[in-house]
Amino acid sequence: AQSVTQLGSHVSVSEGALVLLRCNYSSSVPPYLFWYVQYPNQGLQLLLKYTTGATLVKGINGFEAEFKKSETSFHLTKPSAHMSDAAEYFCAVSTRYSTLTFGKGTMLLVSP
Amino acid sequence: GAVVSQHPSWVICKSGTSVKIECRSLDFQATTMFWYRQFPKQSLMLMATSNEGSKATYEQGVEKDKFLINHASLTLSTLTVTSAHPEDSSFYICSAPDGGSNQPQHFGDGTRLSIL
Repeated sequence: AQSVTQLGSHVSVSEGALVLLRCNYSSSVPPYLFWYVQYPNQGLQLLLKYTTGATLVKGINGFEAEFKKSETSFHLTKPSAHMSDAAEYFCAVSTRYSTLTFGKGTMLLVSP
Repeated sequence: GAVVSQHPSWVICKSGTSVKIECRSLDFQATTMFWYRQFPKQSLMLMATSNEGSKATYEQGVEKDKFLINHASLTLSTLTVTSAHPEDSSFYICSAPDGGSNQPQHFGDGTRLSIL
């Protein structure tokens, strides 16, 4: 069984500030971890993924995440927020052949 | 990159009608596709796994007679909501992996279904 917990349903930052979205997972086998972004009335776009190898993964739009096995975490960060980053972000866990299990999502609000 | 096209993007119809939603992989073949449902301000819940050439696998609590899934080709899966009622109103999203495993998945843009 696998599960994902995203801390904070809403995160507010100012434009230019650091973005930190938290994700903790539970998995009985080595996990695959993903971050997706969803804009209103749209599907999900993959930001980045961790499967194996380097634990610090870089994604699109300047986002990155670090897989920390000891902390069962996969937090998403971006050094400087842009207004266009305002969206809903979903962390998800799976294994190679299993389906995705999503967290409840975190809405990122960016103020000027 | 891999693209998944979903159609229509918006549907408004009367209670009791059936609605078909199409999910196409545009530049890759997908033996498996996934159908999700998303309620307002909530996460995605997997409804079923669509398998090309065989029956779909439904998640617990999902009515297979209500949500008919057909995966007739390697690039097309359809979800038909039969005899739709207002409680079926939701955002439906499909996805497909483009590799030999289930990951990563590429998502369609979703279909907003409103039943009056």
